[in-house]
Amino acid sequence: AQSVAQPEDQVNVAEGNPLTVKCTYSVSGNPYLFWYVQYPNRGLQFLLKYITGDNLVKGSYGFEAEFNKSQTSFHLKKPSALVSDSALYFCAVRDPEGNDYKLSFGAGTTVTVRA
Amino acid sequence: EAQVTQNPRYLITVTGKKLTVTCSQNMNHEYMSWYRQDPGLGLRQIYYSMNVEVTDKGDVPEGYKVSRKEKRNFPLILESPSPNQTSLYFCASSRTGRHLEYEQYFGPGTRLTVT
Repeated sequence: AQSVAQPEDQVNVAEGNPLTVKCTYSVSGNPYLFWYVQYPNRGLQFLLKYITGDNLVKGSYGFEAEFNKSQTSFHLKKPSALVSDSALYFCAVRDPEGNDYKLSFGAGTTVTVRA
Repeated sequence: EAQVTQNPRYLITVTGKKLTVTCSQNMNHEYMSWYRQDPGLGLRQIYYSMNVEVTDKGDVPEGYKVSRKEKRNFPLILESPSPNQTSLYFCASSRTGRHLEYEQYFGPGTRLTVT
């Protein structure tokens, strides 16, 4: 079985400060990991993914994430947050060695960046 | 423009009255999926389809039906809606690749209220 946890419901940061959104996962093998963002009244948009290779993944809008196999984590980071980064962020995991094609999402983390 | 469309965007209905939410994508994607989003629970997968005439249950399929007669369309059917199906629903599509490693494209969402 696969699962993903986002331990923080909310993250508040000041504009210009670093932003981190945490994600941990559980799969039986090597995971496929994804980050999506949801702006108010919109569908989800893809930010970045880890499939294989370099543990540091760079994505859209200046975001990056680091895959850490020993800690089973895939935290999303941005060096300098903007007010426009305020949104709901979802981490998702898929076990490519599983016998189905499900994708499991975390509960989401609301990010608020204050001016 | 590459997109996933859903209709209707908003729907208020009564218990037991059959309804269908349509989903269509113009990217020739093999994989399509339905999710429901509830506060504190994130996105939960209802059904997915790997290709035409191939559908499978996600994590919360009870009370829902789907069909995939054409590659571009993946309607969600609630034959006898109940108040616990009040939720925000998202359709998504993606390429499959070898192990479903591609990101998903999401529709704008359908907010359903069952009274």
